[in-house]
Amino acid sequence: ETGVTQSPTHLIKTRGQQVTLRCSSQSGHNTVSWYQQALGQGPQFIFQYYREEENGRGNFPPRFSGLQFPNYSSELNVNALELDDSALYLCASSLVRGSYNEQFFGPGTRLTVL
Amino acid sequence: AQSVTQLGSHVSVSEGALVLLRCNYSSSVPPYLFWYVQYPNQGLQLLLKYTSAATLVKGINGFEAEFKKSETSFHLTKPSAHMSDAAEYFCAVSDPLASGAGSYQLTFGKGTKLSVIP
Repeated sequence: ETGVTQSPTHLIKTRGQQVTLRCSSQSGHNTVSWYQQALGQGPQFIFQYYREEENGRGNFPPRFSGLQFPNYSSELNVNALELDDSALYLCASSLVRGSYNEQFFGPGTRLTVL
Repeated sequence: AQSVTQLGSHVSVSEGALVLLRCNYSSSVPPYLFWYVQYPNQGLQLLLKYTSAATLVKGINGFEAEFKKSETSFHLTKPSAHMSDAAEYFCAVSDPLASGAGSYQLTFGKGTKLSVIP
């Protein structure tokens, strides 16, 4: 069974640029969540995708957007990058169940905005 | 919305000593609670979870946690610390999404960094 993978591992961008981060879900999972973890903080929920539609969103501006594809892989896009966007971005996949959905995390993508 | 408070951003213990990491939550609905561990430059690994079954939950690597509704707590313990336990630990609560259908986000505490002294 393949776990959650993310690419790239690291990247450096400059303020105002756009970035796309990618995530491959664990086999059999149909839900993907994205989290932002700033240095020294806990992860913050950005949004969740279920069956290719946004299923919920945290307190992040519209310049954070996403996609989920038919094979349940996902992208996180961030436009007009700001210095405060520097963080570890974590993807988590899960299988929606009735009572709770255990989320399995990838290793993350570390984004540095200069 | 749910929230999680982790008391102590940094905890140091001697090797072989008891590990106690504190977590308190606020929740308007019966919570599902989780402890995750994060090693440097890595993602999150699930240690254990509470999903309204037994209040004492056993996880991997000898960790366990006890759900106490009256205290709104879910503290993480390990009887004897090992050098390999040095990492950051996050408590999280499963927070229902407005979309329903059994969908949840995770709301995390700020984390506790555990150091183990030889």
